[in-house]
Amino acid sequence: DGGITQSPKYLFRKEGQNVTLSCEQNLNHDAMYWYRQDPGQGLRLIYYSQIVNDFQKGDIAEGYSVSREKKESFPLTVTSAQKNPTAFYLCASSIGAGQAANTEAFFGQGTRLTVV
Amino acid sequence: GENVEQHPSTLSVQEGDSAVIKCTYSDSASNYFPWYKQELGKRPQLIIDIRSNVGEKKDQRIAVTLNKTAKHFSLHITETQPEDSAVYFCAASIEGRRALTFGSGTRLQVQP
Repeated sequence: DGGITQSPKYLFRKEGQNVTLSCEQNLNHDAMYWYRQDPGQGLRLIYYSQIVNDFQKGDIAEGYSVSREKKESFPLTVTSAQKNPTAFYLCASSIGAGQAANTEAFFGQGTRLTVV
Repeated sequence: GENVEQHPSTLSVQEGDSAVIKCTYSDSASNYFPWYKQELGKRPQLIIDIRSNVGEKKDQRIAVTLNKTAKHFSLHITETQPEDSAVYFCAASIEGRRALTFGSGTRLQVQP
């Protein structure tokens, strides 16, 4: 469904623990993105990657880390340094760099992270 | 960086009426403006987009207009139906150079 898969759908974390959210796509897209969604605040960009082995910070990168070792995978780690991690996290992908870089972004189903 | 503002935050209309959602952006270099629809518990999905070389685009009951001079763009939904009820997000970017920056969303409710 849509070619981009996030797991798990729900995740619970204890305070002080790191947790990694998975994002895999089989669309052969070069670009991948992580957004955070909070009620009434829209989608805010955490990190993005235009190509394998390269990524850039978005608007709210503090407390998060990513890696892009494979084209199809872009995992997000929420570290203990993130002060308010409870949110809905959305991964997306698009064709990639160049003129077509920002044509349609395809989203995964999201992961709802709750700190307990 | 880019800043996108979206209004209204909530919108309630009667079935069959039209709905209009407005967005403004800050970076005059932005050239790609998509609109996403997110139904409850589901992923956002693209419903229409427009690039800066055109002023209007239509797709059945949905249309988007762009005013580059004023740096604002709008989504128009005509003959609204209950299934149009969802949260709508506008976004802006510079193609090839920057990820999408989203507005804060509009919750549209269509009353039967």
